[in-house]
Amino acid sequence: DAGVIQSPRHEVTEMGQEVTLRCKPISGHNSLFWYRQTMMRGLELLIYFNNNVPIDDSGMPEDRFSAKMPNASFSTLKIQPSEPRDSAVYFCASSLRRGQASGRALGTQYFGPGTRLTVL
Amino acid sequence: QKEVEQNSGPLSVPEGAIASLNCTYSDRGSQSFFWYRQYSGKSPELIMSIYSNGDKEDGRFTAQLNKASQYVSLLIRDSQPSDSATYLCAVNRGSGTYKYIFGTGTRLKVLA
Repeated sequence: DAGVIQSPRHEVTEMGQEVTLRCKPISGHNSLFWYRQTMMRGLELLIYFNNNVPIDDSGMPEDRFSAKMPNASFSTLKIQPSEPRDSAVYFCASSLRRGQASGRALGTQYFGPGTRLTVL
Repeated sequence: QKEVEQNSGPLSVPEGAIASLNCTYSDRGSQSFFWYRQYSGKSPELIMSIYSNGDKEDGRFTAQLNKASQYVSLLIRDSQPSDSATYLCAVNRGSGTYKYIFGTGTRLKVLA
């Protein structure tokens, strides 16, 4: 089975432009996570979805960022307008929520290859 | 205080030695703990997960959890140059949330 797929792998854009990052989670997974990684701040959770519904977007830095998950196999993270400080690697991860009976509410998160965003 | 803390390193160990990586967390209610390995320019990949106090072994890797002291560690036995990477500790609070809180990672260098 294919892993998490992200596109594009690299994106270079100019300040003020709109950027859209795409993610296809592992088939059958029902939770999806968007992270941002920088040297200064490490790996930060931006937003996560469960069954296509946004559950926690407290990590979204500001209104310039938005995320959608129109169906179980696709999600987007949009930045509009982009700024140089948005330059980072953006990861998408997916997991399968385990049943409550197992006592484990969270399954393993599998990460995509990431999108390296550079905003000039 | 950061929620999940790790020494950034680099931690340098000779080939064949045991590498010991440590992580502390602040939320006493945390329930699930994970170690991810991240090679330079690559995405994080899961090495170990641990949920109960004590040790959990998988090949050359051993995860140790002590909830009373709020730390989790990763031991890598017979370290190899291919183990050189950044190791990320992640903690989940449980209680219905699916959020992982990641530490900033420890960079490990295994010297040949």
